[in-house]
Amino acid sequence: AQKITQTQPGMFVQEKEAVTLDCTYDTSDPSYGLFWYKQPSSGEMIFLIYQGSYDQQNATEGRYSLNFQKARKSANLVISASQLGDSAMYFCAMREDNYGQNFVFGPGTRLSVLP
Amino acid sequence: KAGVTQTPRYLIKTRGQQVTLSCSPISGHRSVSWYQQTPGQGLQFLFEYFSETQRNKGNFPGRFSGRQFSNSRSEMNVSTLELGDSALYLCASSLGGTSGVVNYNEQFFGPGTRLTVL
Repeated sequence: AQKITQTQPGMFVQEKEAVTLDCTYDTSDPSYGLFWYKQPSSGEMIFLIYQGSYDQQNATEGRYSLNFQKARKSANLVISASQLGDSAMYFCAMREDNYGQNFVFGPGTRLSVLP
Repeated sequence: KAGVTQTPRYLIKTRGQQVTLSCSPISGHRSVSWYQQTPGQGLQFLFEYFSETQRNKGNFPGRFSGRQFSNSRSEMNVSTLELGDSALYLCASSLGGTSGVVNYNEQFFGPGTRLTVL
């Protein structure tokens, strides 16, 4: 079974608009972390934001925020005020605490920001 | 602070050959993880080394192996290359927190090594 599901293979957003990238996960471990990474065409993975399973508040980092709904096992990434440079692949990932540093990645969503 | 470096950046090999990829983590980071990224399979975890010991291993055949040195630098080796091994190989380093404790433990990725097997 897929541990991380990203149902949107591709998304388009107009520059300066907000966009939400979906991520649902599956785990029985009560202790886990959720991550979002951006991968531009250059290939390098860039960390965006982190949410711990015990965190009470949704994580925010600048224009990025994570809409964490623990009961629904979803961790959607919200990008506000999209910029052309946001065009990239976006990966949701999970680290289950019982599995050390083994990150499980979703299939990714390709975001295209339109001028 | 220097980031994660991987060498070489590009590599072309033929079937049956072997290859060694290198990863230098961020100074002070003790955990190094390796991932294979292909268009068909996405990002898949290969293995993780922490303090010179393999701590986790993904579902890859024994042709894929790795090691970590005392300075935390890591190498990954693939023997008897197959066409399907063509991929971007990413290395990531982190502080490597202890299991059982939920820590913010971000992985910093290197630029990757793009391996092409002909």
